[in-house]
Amino acid sequence: NAGVTQTPKFQVLKTGQSMTLQCAQDMNHNSMYWYRQDPGMGLRLIYYSASEGTTDKGEVPNGYNVSRLNKREFSLRLESAAPSQTSVYFCASNAYEQYFGPGTRLTVT
Amino acid sequence: KNQVEQSPQSLIILEGKNCTLQCNYTVSPFSNLRWYKQDTGRGPVSLTIMTFSENTKSNGRYTATLDADTKQSSLHITASQLSDSASYICVVSAGTGGFKTIFGAGTRLFVKA
Repeated sequence: NAGVTQTPKFQVLKTGQSMTLQCAQDMNHNSMYWYRQDPGMGLRLIYYSASEGTTDKGEVPNGYNVSRLNKREFSLRLESAAPSQTSVYFCASNAYEQYFGPGTRLTVT
Repeated sequence: KNQVEQSPQSLIILEGKNCTLQCNYTVSPFSNLRWYKQDTGRGPVSLTIMTFSENTKSNGRYTATLDADTKQSSLHITASQLSDSASYICVVSAGTGGFKTIFGAGTRLFVKA
């Protein structure tokens, strides 16, 4: 039982490049989330998916898109990366208690 | 405006000592309050979850309290260990439709030998 897994762990992009962050959970949870964590700030919700086939915007969705591929997988895409998207990205899933992945550290130069 | 404020921002204590971290919130209507521990370079891990009717909950050496009237919570760590060095994050969820969960910025705890 791996819990929540994320790939990659680290990524460096140039401004304007695109990439997809992958997330998978093996706990059969309906709800999945993408957050970003910046120094001195609380985690902020980018997008969430309450169930397979549905996605909703969170607090900071601009510049991101998501896909709930199936019940296990929820991906986050940056179409044209900007330096302001330099952050640590966490995927999470929950039934009642929320479980977080190990994070992806993204730097955009 | 829904907010979660934690204090202190950082704290240094000696191994074996106790400490208390504070969380004040203005999230309404209140649904639940959670405390997480986040080790450097890792994702947050849940310590406790409290609903409106609960005013204390323990998880080993961690004890969380909740005063829903004053909208305050505290996390007490007893007999600290070096492995307690981490960030502790207070998270409050609102009982409204959709998703409304506010994360505090965290308290960074350093436990020194």
